[in-house]
Amino acid sequence: NAGVTQTPKFQVLKTGQSMTLQCAQDMNHNSMYWYRQDPGMGLRLIYYSASEGTTDKGEVPNGYNVSRLNKREFSLRLESAAPSQTSVYFCASSEVESGRLHFGNGTRLTVT
Amino acid sequence: RKEVEQDPGPFNVPEGATVAFNCTYSNSASQSFFWYRQDCRKEPKLLMSVYSSGNEDGRFTAQLNRASQYISLLIRDSKLSDSATYLCVVKTGGFKTIFGAGTRLFVKA
Repeated sequence: NAGVTQTPKFQVLKTGQSMTLQCAQDMNHNSMYWYRQDPGMGLRLIYYSASEGTTDKGEVPNGYNVSRLNKREFSLRLESAAPSQTSVYFCASSEVESGRLHFGNGTRLTVT
Repeated sequence: RKEVEQDPGPFNVPEGATVAFNCTYSNSASQSFFWYRQDCRKEPKLLMSVYSSGNEDGRFTAQLNRASQYISLLIRDSKLSDSATYLCVVKTGGFKTIFGAGTRLFVKA
């Protein structure tokens, strides 16, 4: 049971480059999320998808776009990376009833 | 004021000690409460949900005080393997889940 799978695990970008973080879950969850985690701060929600075909902004959406490709996959795109986007990114999915979040292993992104 | 606040620690305790973490939240409409554990450079994992009546899971006890808007986690008989960051998490309804910044715990032999 793979759970939530994120790729890549590490990435270094130059300012202005673009990239897409991939996320897939095999637990048949309707809801999926993208968070970022910075030192001294809690995880902050970037975007979420309540169900296939819908996406909504979270707390810190600027500079990001998302796509809910199907029920399993939810990708996060940085169109023009900035040093302020250096962070650890986590994808998660959840059981709506319990609210429990299942996280992927994270992507460590550095923008120089 | 942050929506969920935790003492960042670190808490340094010897093996076998009892340690307690507190967390306060600002939204009185919050509905669900959790403690997650995060090991260094790893993803957060659910430790336990927190219920109004309080709940226990082995050495871990969680309490919720809705009137005072705080949540606590008590760890008894600390083990070296308990060393981690403990995240207080509050769900306010819909899809809004707020994470505290975490409390770091170091358990020493």
